[in-house]
Amino acid sequence: GAVVSQHPSWVICKSGTSVKIECRSLDFQATTMFWYRQFPKQSLMLMATSNEGSKATYEQGVEKDKFLINHASLTLSTLTVTSAHPEDSSFYICSATPSGNEQFFGPGTRLTVL
Amino acid sequence: EDQVTQSPEALRLQEGESSSLNCSYTVSGLRGLFWYRQDPGKGPEFLFTLYSAGEEKEKERLKATLTKKESFLHITAPKPEDSATYLCAVPTGGGNKLTFGTGTQLKVEL
Repeated sequence: GAVVSQHPSWVICKSGTSVKIECRSLDFQATTMFWYRQFPKQSLMLMATSNEGSKATYEQGVEKDKFLINHASLTLSTLTVTSAHPEDSSFYICSATPSGNEQFFGPGTRLTVL
Repeated sequence: EDQVTQSPEALRLQEGESSSLNCSYTVSGLRGLFWYRQDPGKGPEFLFTLYSAGEEKEKERLKATLTKKESFLHITAPKPEDSATYLCAVPTGGGNKLTFGTGTQLKVEL
């Protein structure tokens, strides 16, 4: 149980384009989902907290107009990186919690912006 | 300020050589401590949740313990497949978002 999927697993895009990443909880309903990014050899950095049906809460320093988050249902959240630039290249990971305690993570999405 | 510190940063063990990883935390009102395993290029895999000092949990060769200031992840007779980065995390900020330590990169060699 507690399986979270992400799609795509990797994506390469040109600078200036937008990329959408999906996060789904497959066997539970997630009232809250989280989006992280991780640079090589570093730990996870929380970008935003997403609650179903309401606006996401962004961490300090994260541009909400650049990283658009939509939590349309209890099993789906999406992260759209708008007007991507090479510095946005990173490993993006989502997580979901069925109970508000343990978070279960997706497999991650590797974004490369050329 | 809530803080989570892990040590060592990296650890190399021979197969069968038991050891412990440390996670020290400074949190006002602990609401759980979580251990995860992360393989390269993958998302973290949930291992354990500990809620109170003195609590212990085991899974195969791993045992997690908790005191009022730190948690240990004991690895008994490790195998090469235990090689990974081990992360600990605590809920912070009054909500349910997690603050992660920087992790311990474990390599188990034959």
